[in-house]
Amino acid sequence: GNSVTQMEGPVTLSEEAFLTINCTYTATGYPSLFWYVQYPGEGLQLLLKATKADDKGSNKGFEATYRKETTSFHLEKGSVQVSDSAVYFCALSGSDTGGFKTIFGAGTRLFVKA
Amino acid sequence: DSGVTQTPKHLITATGQRVTLRCSPRSGDLSVYWYQQSLDQGLQFLIQYYNGEERAKGNILERFSAQQFPDLHSELNLSSLELGDSALYFCASSVGLQRESKGGGGYTFGSGTRLTVV
Repeated sequence: GNSVTQMEGPVTLSEEAFLTINCTYTATGYPSLFWYVQYPGEGLQLLLKATKADDKGSNKGFEATYRKETTSFHLEKGSVQVSDSAVYFCALSGSDTGGFKTIFGAGTRLFVKA
Repeated sequence: DSGVTQTPKHLITATGQRVTLRCSPRSGDLSVYWYQQSLDQGLQFLIQYYNGEERAKGNILERFSAQQFPDLHSELNLSSLELGDSALYFCASSVGLQRESKGGGGYTFGSGTRLTVV
C-alpha cells in the first residue's frame, strides 16, 4: 500500500539557517502531495501542496517540489524564524488498497533557536 | 480559526467511562475525518463520513463509533475507556470526496480534543 516516510526529528536550527525536511513516498499512480504544519496546542494546518509531477508548492517562504523520479517532496525554507518552530507532516492522497486515502507521515519536530 | 469546531477542548474521565466528542465541519464541507494523535503512534486515521454516510474506516477500535448527522456535524463516541485511549482527537473536513478532487483541496483541521483517561 501507499506510504510516506519523513526524516526523524527533532531538527534544531539557529534563526536564519536553511531548512530541509526530507519526505519520500511510495504510491501507485499519481498521488497529490501535501505538507501540513502543527503549532503547539493547535491542529494541523495545510502549508502547501502539489498535485502533479514537477509542481512546486510554496507558502510563507516554504517550498516543496513534487519529484516523481525520486518519489520525493522535500520541504525547504531559506531562512527559518523562531516562529517556524512546529511539527511538520508530509502527506499523500491517492488510490490505495481499499480505496482512495490520505495518509500522513510521522511528523518532524523543528526547533528554531534565537 | 480554521472553521472546523471541536468540543470540548479538554476532557478528563475515568477508565471504563464513555465520552462523546463533537465536530462541526467548515461551512460547505461534506466530508468529515477523525484522527487520533498520540505521542508514540503519530496521527492515526480512524474513520471518514461523507454527507452522512460512512465512507472509510481506519484503525478504529470496536469500542469507538461515530456518526454524521443531517446538519453535517459529527460525533465520535469512545466507550469502555482505557488509559491507552488518552490522546488528542482531531476532526478534519474537506469539500467532497477526495477521490473526485484527487485530494487536491487538502483537509481543514480543528484544534482537537485532548482526552485524558485516569
